[in-house]
Amino acid sequence: EPEVTQTPSHQVTQMGQEVILRCVPISNHLYFYWYRQILGQKVEFLVSFYNNEISEKSEIFDDQFSVERPDGSNFTLKIRSTKLEDSAMYFCASSEQGGDTQYFGPGTRLTVL
Amino acid sequence: AQSVTQLDSHVSVSEGTPVLLRCNYSSSYSPSLFWYVQHPNKGLQLLLKYTSAATLVKGINGFEAEFKKSETSFHLTKPSAHMSDAAEYFCVVSDRPSGTYKYIFGTGTRLKVLA
Repeated sequence: EPEVTQTPSHQVTQMGQEVILRCVPISNHLYFYWYRQILGQKVEFLVSFYNNEISEKSEIFDDQFSVERPDGSNFTLKIRSTKLEDSAMYFCASSEQGGDTQYFGPGTRLTVL
Repeated sequence: AQSVTQLDSHVSVSEGTPVLLRCNYSSSYSPSLFWYVQHPNKGLQLLLKYTSAATLVKGINGFEAEFKKSETSFHLTKPSAHMSDAAEYFCVVSDRPSGTYKYIFGTGTRLKVLA
């Protein structure tokens, strides 16, 4: 069964450093998403991406964040200058054309020291 | 605006007894509702989905949920809990403010199954 994969599973970084979180969505899916879950809090929407551009972003997704689909398979989330409050579990998801069912990856736990 | 409220942060049941995880939603139109499960150190797995075709939705692993518009509820049930059901469960509503959908998550319910 096809699945969304994410790497790394755990990333530790120093405050102010740039990080790139990687995702490989399900191959025939066209819509891609990032969510995050700060420890003890609910899962929050960050951004959706379709046709090589951002469709929607939340107020959390400020200028420090960017997303990219650098090739036909990867979907990345970059945080330019990490802050302590960026520590969270980041989930990637994808969905088919016109479908509202999203399939999630296992997540990347980001720890900012 | 769309929202979901999970009424219990923790639920404990004995193995073999019924499970009830409660979810209420708020929506200005007919919503798409989902239940996802997250096992420790695993991703979010889709349990079931409601999209107005039928009010009683059957999912994987013996779970089902009933959409009740009059009560704005979408509670998740299972007749008999198994140890492997211990996990965190999320009720989700799908919102579509623009061309794409985004999910709005509840705060989650952690299910504990006692032997």
